[in-house]
Amino acid sequence: AQSVTQPDIHITVSEGASLELRCNYSYGATPYLFWYVQSPGQGLQLLLKYFSGDTLVQGIKGFEAEFKRSQSSFNLRKPSVHWSDAAEYFCAVGGNAGNMLTFGGGTRLMVKP
Amino acid sequence: EAGVVQSPRYKIIEKKQPVAFWCNPISGHNTLYWYLQNLGQGPELLIRYENEEAVDDSQLPKDRFSAERLKGVDSTLKIQPAELGDSAVYLCASSLGYRTYNEQFFGPGTRLTVL
Repeated sequence: AQSVTQPDIHITVSEGASLELRCNYSYGATPYLFWYVQSPGQGLQLLLKYFSGDTLVQGIKGFEAEFKRSQSSFNLRKPSVHWSDAAEYFCAVGGNAGNMLTFGGGTRLMVKP
Repeated sequence: EAGVVQSPRYKIIEKKQPVAFWCNPISGHNTLYWYLQNLGQGPELLIRYENEEAVDDSQLPKDRFSAERLKGVDSTLKIQPAELGDSAVYLCASSLGYRTYNEQFFGPGTRLTVL
C-alpha cells in the first residue's frame, strides 16, 4: 500500500527566510510525486510534480523539490518565503497504473512579518 | 477558462437529514473525483468516474453515500442520512484522463457541518 508522511504539522518561518517542508513516501514501484498548496477556503493547487528524469524539479511560485530515492523523500523548498505563501501544503504519491493519489496529512505554514 | 465549480460552498444540517453536493468539472475532463477532507488531514478519495462510469468506489460508504454522474459531465454526491462524523470538506476534482500524469484540478470544496 502507498502512503505519505509529512512529519511537520505546523511550521512558522519569517518572511524572507528559506523554507523546507518534509515529505516521506512509501510506494512499491517508481512513484509519481506531487506537492499541492491549499489556501483557506480554496481548492488544492498543484505546485510541482515528479515523474522521472532530473530529481530536482521546479514548480510555480518559486518552489522546487528534490526526489531522493534512497531516502524515500520528496522535500519542498523555497529560498525566500513571502507572506502570501502562508497556506497548507500537501505531498501526494501515485503510480503510473492509474490516477489514485494518496495524500499526506499536510503541513500548515505560517509566515511571520 | 472556468475551473471546477462546486455548490454549495457551505452547508449546515442536523443529523439524520439528507444532503447533496454538486460538482461541475472543467469542460472536456472525462475523469471526475470526489474526495473527503477531514479537519487537519489530507484528502481521501471517495469515488472516481470515467465519463458516466464509477470505476473506483471502494472507499465510498455505500450504506449512506451515493453518487452519480449523469451524461458524463456534472456529478452529485449524496449523504442520507447524515451523521455527526460526516462533518468535513467534500472536494471535487477533474482531469483529462485517469492516468496519474494527468493533473487533477480541484474545486473549492463544500464544507459540511452536521449538528
